[in-house]
Amino acid sequence: KQEVTQIPAALSVPEGENLVLNCSFTDSAIYNLQWFRQDPGKGLTSLLLIQSSQREQTSGRLNASLDKSSGRSTLYIAASQPGDSATYLCAVLLISSGSARQLTFGSGTQLTVLP
Amino acid sequence: EAGVTQSPTHLIKTRGQQATLRCSPISGHTSVYWYQQALGLGLQFLLWYDEGEERNRGNFPPRFSGRQFPNYSSELNVNALELEDSALYLCASSLGGNNQPQHFGDGTRLSIL
Repeated sequence: KQEVTQIPAALSVPEGENLVLNCSFTDSAIYNLQWFRQDPGKGLTSLLLIQSSQREQTSGRLNASLDKSSGRSTLYIAASQPGDSATYLCAVLLISSGSARQLTFGSGTQLTVLP
Repeated sequence: EAGVTQSPTHLIKTRGQQATLRCSPISGHTSVYWYQQALGLGLQFLLWYDEGEERNRGNFPPRFSGRQFPNYSSELNVNALELEDSALYLCASSLGGNNQPQHFGDGTRLSIL
């Protein structure tokens, strides 16, 4: 059974700092990995999707990398801002469940950026 | 472009009642997914609909059901509500194909009293 783990569960940093969020998964046979942010009481906002054949994706201050062989992904946030405060979730789409479109989510990292 | 929209925002029911949650996908998206986010349990996959058909179902009892309409909007129905059904129910949509991102709505908060 695929397990997706995000460490740390919570992270607090001062404004302006660069930071890395981690996501690990046990089954490397994935179609893709998606990073989301979730604000309190809200839905998920899709940030980046990395296909299994890709190594990284970038959007603005965000950069996500994927190392399938080691079962790891990182989300790098440059020059963090208080508006980045949210819970960040990663989710994988397994090849075994790809035809079922069933995302498996990690439990998230709650990020707080202090002004 | 409008995102995924869900209604109602909040829904309060009592045990044993039935609840209906609605979702409108992004224009052009044919696939709709339902997820449950219960406190302490994380996000759990519920259902996937595509072209009006149920394509996949998560590990939930049969009292969780739904449908997709010809305009690709979807309903999630929960019968015989139980206290543990209290959760945020999220709908997502995507284009066809396994390598398309799923885009989520803001959810319906279902509270069972």
